[in-house]
Amino acid sequence: AQSVAQPEDQVNVAEGNPLTVKCTYSVSGNPYLFWYVQYPNRGLQFLLKYITGDNLVKGSYGFEAEFNKSQTSFHLKKPSALVSDSALYFCALFGAGSYQLTFGKGTKLSVIP
Amino acid sequence: DAGVTQSPTHLIKTRGQHVTLRCSPISGHKSVSWYQQVLGQGPQFIFQYYEKEERGRGNFPDRFSARQFPNYSSELNVNALLLGDSALYLCASSRVYSGDYNEQFFGPGTRLTVL
Repeated sequence: AQSVAQPEDQVNVAEGNPLTVKCTYSVSGNPYLFWYVQYPNRGLQFLLKYITGDNLVKGSYGFEAEFNKSQTSFHLKKPSALVSDSALYFCALFGAGSYQLTFGKGTKLSVIP
Repeated sequence: DAGVTQSPTHLIKTRGQHVTLRCSPISGHKSVSWYQQVLGQGPQFIFQYYEKEERGRGNFPDRFSARQFPNYSSELNVNALLLGDSALYLCASSRVYSGDYNEQFFGPGTRLTVL
């Protein structure tokens, strides 16, 4: 079975500081990993994905994520946080050949002015 | 280009009733997936349809059913509603149903409240 863990329910960061939202995963075979963001009363918006290749993936709105196979992690990062980045962030996973996207429980990011 | 659309946006039902939720995928996408997001949790996979056939089903009771139409739009049906069915129901579309390019694009969701 595949699973995704987001160990932090909430992350607080000051505006202008770097941010990290953590994600670890468990799957048989190679993973396809995604980050989505959800604003209040909205659906999910795609940020970035890792399929193969470079372990550092760049996505929308200045976000990037680092894939670490040995640590089975896919942490989301941004060099300088904005207040508008405050939202709920979900890490998600497809296993190879899988049709089912498995999500973590989400991390609420609050960027403090 | 239009994104994934869902209707209605909000719905209030009482226990025991039936509900139908609708989803239109992005043009050119042939796969539709449904997810249930209970407050405070991540989305849970319910169904995936591709070319009008069910390709996957999550751990949900038989009260949940779905179908996909020739134009690739989809309906999710829930019978005999329970209070625990209250959730945001998300529809996602993708070009294919598995493999490297199964990037899913989500609609805004339907908020279902069961009283």
